[in-house]
Amino acid sequence: EIVLTQSPGTLSLSPGERATLSCRASQSVSSSYLAWYQQKPGQAPRLLIYGASSRATGIPDRFSGSGSGTDFTLTISRLEPEDFAVYYCQQYGSSPGLTFGGGTKVEIK
Amino acid sequence: QLQLQESGPGLVKPSETLSLTCTVSGGSISSSSYYWGWIRQPPGKGLEWIGSIYYSGSTYYNPSLKSRVTISVDTSKNQFSLKLSSVTAADTAVYYCCRITMVRGYQGVDYWGQGTLVTVSS
Repeated sequence: EIVLTQSPGTLSLSPGERATLSCRASQSVSSSYLAWYQQKPGQAPRLLIYGASSRATGIPDRFSGSGSGTDFTLTISRLEPEDFAVYYCQQYGSSPGLTFGGGTKVEIK
Repeated sequence: QLQLQESGPGLVKPSETLSLTCTVSGGSISSSSYYWGWIRQPPGKGLEWIGSIYYSGSTYYNPSLKSRVTISVDTSKNQFSLKLSSVTAADTAVYYCCRITMVRGYQGVDYWGQGTLVTVSS
């Protein structure tokens, strides 16, 4: 079973700053099967990135994903007020099954 | 616009069976491009995949829950359902139904229901 570890647990930044979120897998993951989600309080998660680097429909280009193997990164180039939320990475595995990381909270500094 | 809506009891007694239904509107559940799934989130915690189903009825479950989970599909009603047996307080969570897109490979969980809180308590 693949375990996804996200870091940091909390990221304190100001609007306009760059956010870099990490997702590390316990074993190699196909880039094709790595996704990122944003979740705001009281809302369902929203798909941001799939295939490690492809933006989902309607996602602004300030969101970008990168990485391969066991190390993946979500970057928000310039934080907007609406970007403060919790972010999850997720891996699609065999069966087909889904595994989520524990999440990174991006909060206003 | 595709919409997913969960329905079912918000309170379930310990040891009983949790039953939820997801109604899909604005699109057909009978498409080869998608799986349909259930994901839950305990209060203040992260996301946990429960299981998925294909329109043909093929099912895939989280190994940690497999012994207690049944997911079924009713294509005539454009619905799929979750049953989780022998529930305990640890099963208290917001339960989301969702669509998993598999077009030219995995493209993520792209549609989610609004979620429904199920509390396990006597």
